Amino acid sequence: EAGVVQSPRYKIIEKKQPVAFWCNPISGHNTLYWYRQNLGQGPELLIRYENEEAVDDSQLPKDRFSAERLKGVDSTLKIQPAELGDSAVYLCASSLSAGAETQYFGPGTRLLVL
Amino acid sequence: AQTVTQSQPEMSVQEAETVTLSCTYDTSESDYYLFWYKQPPSRQMILVIRQEAYKQQNATENRFSVNFQKAAKSFSLKISDSQLGDAAMYFCAYRSAYTSGSRLTFGEGTQLTVNP
Repeated sequence: EAGVVQSPRYKIIEKKQPVAFWCNPISGHNTLYWYRQNLGQGPELLIRYENEEAVDDSQLPKDRFSAERLKGVDSTLKIQPAELGDSAVYLCASSLSAGAETQYFGPGTRLLVL
Repeated sequence: AQTVTQSQPEMSVQEAETVTLSCTYDTSESDYYLFWYKQPPSRQMILVIRQEAYKQQNATENRFSVNFQKAAKSFSLKISDSQLGDAAMYFCAYRSAYTSGSRLTFGEGTQLTVNP
């Protein structure tokens, strides 16, 4: 069974530029999560999807971040415009449902904003 | 809000020996899950072990076991017969058992070094 797939693995951009990250969850997983992990810290949730509906986006900086999960499968997280403080690893995770015990993580996208 | 604290930023262990990583958490909920995730340099978070709060028996997965003390809100990870491949950042995480609170709350991590 394929795991959570993310791309790109690495991205370097200049500040004020846009950037997008893509995630393909494990087949059959209805719940999808985007976490941000700053250097030396644990991940923090940005947004959670139940199928195509965003049900927990309280930590998403909505002035510059946006996300979508069309058709309830793949998801895209976008930052526009990027700031220096957005440099981090962006992790995608999925679970069978919101009530499922375990979340499975992808390899992450490491973003560096110059 | 729930918080998770890992008081050991770094730990080291000799190969084949045993090491214990500490984790405490704060919550007002009675039903929840606790996890230990491993994050090697590749950055992929890998589930090591999980514990359901309603279970009194400590979880065990091969060389990995936990000491879950619900009253003390403590959840430590013991790695026996440490191997070089165990070297990684280890994160303790909390998750509410209620659907509305299914986000994971992580501690700040413990960097484990295994010396040959």
